[in-house]
Amino acid sequence: DTEVTQTPKHLVMGMTNKKSLKCEQHMGHRAMYWYKQKAKKPPELMFVYSYEKLSINESVPSRFSPECPNSSLLNLHLHALQPEDSALYLCASSHRDTYNEQFFGPGTRLTVL
Amino acid sequence: SQQGEEDPQALSIQEGENATMNCSYKTSINNLQWYRQNSGRGLVHLILIRSNEREKHSGRLRVTLDTSKKSSSLLITASRAADTASYFCATGLNTGFQKLVFGTGTRLLVSP
Repeated sequence: DTEVTQTPKHLVMGMTNKKSLKCEQHMGHRAMYWYKQKAKKPPELMFVYSYEKLSINESVPSRFSPECPNSSLLNLHLHALQPEDSALYLCASSHRDTYNEQFFGPGTRLTVL
Repeated sequence: SQQGEEDPQALSIQEGENATMNCSYKTSINNLQWYRQNSGRGLVHLILIRSNEREKHSGRLRVTLDTSKKSSSLLITASRAADTASYFCATGLNTGFQKLVFGTGTRLLVSP
């Protein structure tokens, strides 16, 4: 299985809602990533997990809370988001021990009203 | 902060023509990768070239890397309408593990 899956595909939420994005991979990768991508812009790294531990937080606001329950699963918990947080959220995974390509999921299109 | 700048920002060609995209970056890298993205969906890895390599081929793709000029190019030969997509270079930085910083991207339109 060489696929990264993300759910949901689309999400609309109000500024007071709490929601979660889910990402799953079964390739045995030990590094997992969250990216944010605005329209016509490149993906921007948000978080990196390595061996289920948070390795990088790119100064992301606390209203975004990542979680890595196990080596196959990555969640992004959302709370009190702002309209400017509307974007495509991409999950990716890669082998940990070598500098290698990243495998991306199809993304979750998030709209904050 | 953005590492890579790509040019052109947009490229429009006919099927069968070659497409060349360029990427420039700022800091020392471990590797440089190229990704394709269709219509705001997930990115697909195309090719990876390491800092000690100068040229790499994969099917209709040819990538070059010049670390002295901090630049790379992606050539797609005999393009097809299905190659229509956004193409991003991404630099793998020497941070101790894999962290990618994406360039600004080139939007390629291939007309039948």
